[in-house]
Amino acid sequence: EAQVTQNPRYLITVTGKKLTVTCSQNMNHEYMSWYRQDPGLGLRQIYYSMNVEVTDKGDVPEGYKVSRKEKRNFPLILESPSPNQTSLYFCASSLQGAFTDTQYFGPGTRLTVL
Amino acid sequence: AQSVSQHNHHVILSEAASLELGCNYSYGGTVNLFWYVQYPGQHLQLLLKYFSGDPLVKGIKGFEAEFIKSKFSFNLRKPSVQWSDTAEYFCAVNQFYFGTGTSLTVIP
Repeated sequence: EAQVTQNPRYLITVTGKKLTVTCSQNMNHEYMSWYRQDPGLGLRQIYYSMNVEVTDKGDVPEGYKVSRKEKRNFPLILESPSPNQTSLYFCASSLQGAFTDTQYFGPGTRLTVL
Repeated sequence: AQSVSQHNHHVILSEAASLELGCNYSYGGTVNLFWYVQYPGQHLQLLLKYFSGDPLVKGIKGFEAEFIKSKFSFNLRKPSVQWSDTAEYFCAVNQFYFGTGTSLTVIP
């Protein structure tokens, strides 16, 4: 089944404790991205990747890191999480990142930073 | 600057009522328009999309949307909603720019 998977689905952590949220897709998509969803703000793009070893900042990259060492994986790293990063995070992928491509979303990771 | 506006933040309807959710965008180039839906506890999925041609596009589950270029709008419609349509709906432009979402609650 074609899908985007994320782990963990739920995470509660404390300020400053490094964490990684994994994202994997099995559709051989070149483009992957991370969004955060906050009430009243919708989805905002954090980082995106057009292909392996190619990443770039989205609209709200501060406090986040990403890497794309393999085509299928695109982990989101929070080196020193803060309470303002409490949010619902979605990973997404699309074929090539073209404006006409449909994005396929993962199930979401609900992160709480205390 | 690019922006997508969804003015209806929360809509409550009774079953069988008609639905129209507004989406307006500001973008300087060619637009490709999407509506995504997020059912409770599920991930976002594509409802419909418009790239070119007939400005009235039909999607899954009886939804349709009309692109009106002169109004920079891409409103979502459904003639008769069901309880199962309760979800959050997001308009997007060119894959990357999302609106703030509209939460739809359908009362049985």
